[in-house]
Amino acid sequence: QKEVEQNSGPLSVPEGAIASLNCTYSDRVSQSFFWYRQYSGKSPELIMSIYSNGDKEDGRFTAQLNKASQYVSLLIRDSQPSDSATYLCAVNSSPLGTQGGSEKLVFGKGTKLTVNP
Amino acid sequence: DTGVSQDPRHKITKRGQNVTFRCDPISEHNRLYWYRQTLGQGPEFLTYFQNEAQLEKSRLLSDRFSAERPKGSFSTLEIQRTEQGDSAMYLCASSPRRLAGGYNEQFFGPGTRLTVL
Repeated sequence: QKEVEQNSGPLSVPEGAIASLNCTYSDRVSQSFFWYRQYSGKSPELIMSIYSNGDKEDGRFTAQLNKASQYVSLLIRDSQPSDSATYLCAVNSSPLGTQGGSEKLVFGKGTKLTVNP
Repeated sequence: DTGVSQDPRHKITKRGQNVTFRCDPISEHNRLYWYRQTLGQGPEFLTYFQNEAQLEKSRLLSDRFSAERPKGSFSTLEIQRTEQGDSAMYLCASSPRRLAGGYNEQFFGPGTRLTVL
């Protein structure tokens, strides 16, 4: 069973702090990694994609990938109350740029983040 | 550029009834996915279409579930003889044609919340 594990939280941080969200995955052939934000009662919204080891930055968000440790994380700098949501980690094993392999995303259960004003 | 749309947004039905949901993907996205999400869980993959071809089906997709994408545009998901355990959010996602070295980025619609009484 291919699994994606996340700390369910809740994770509570003060406004302006750095929020750190972590995710581990069991399938070593995983190729692409995604972070989705999901507000209560809404659908998931894609916020970051990463497939190479190292860091990828986009505004206040930084995704970090370590394939050797099968670990991916999301850092949110200068956290705002509007960042309060559940963050879902998702993994895909399909080789990049080809049609082979499964196209499905395997999701973790999500980490609930609360940013306190 | 409109996003993925789903209809209806909410559906309440009695056990044993049949229901059908519709998904319209982002225009020019040739890949379409169905997921199911229950409270406190991440989305679970149900099925995947590339154009009109259904290329992947999860074991979660029992014989009571059927999905179609007849012209490679919109898709329908039908659940026959609904059970209380079918109560969930049904999410549709789409992604563009895979480019060399490209991610499998999936963009979700607002979902259809199904309640089976």
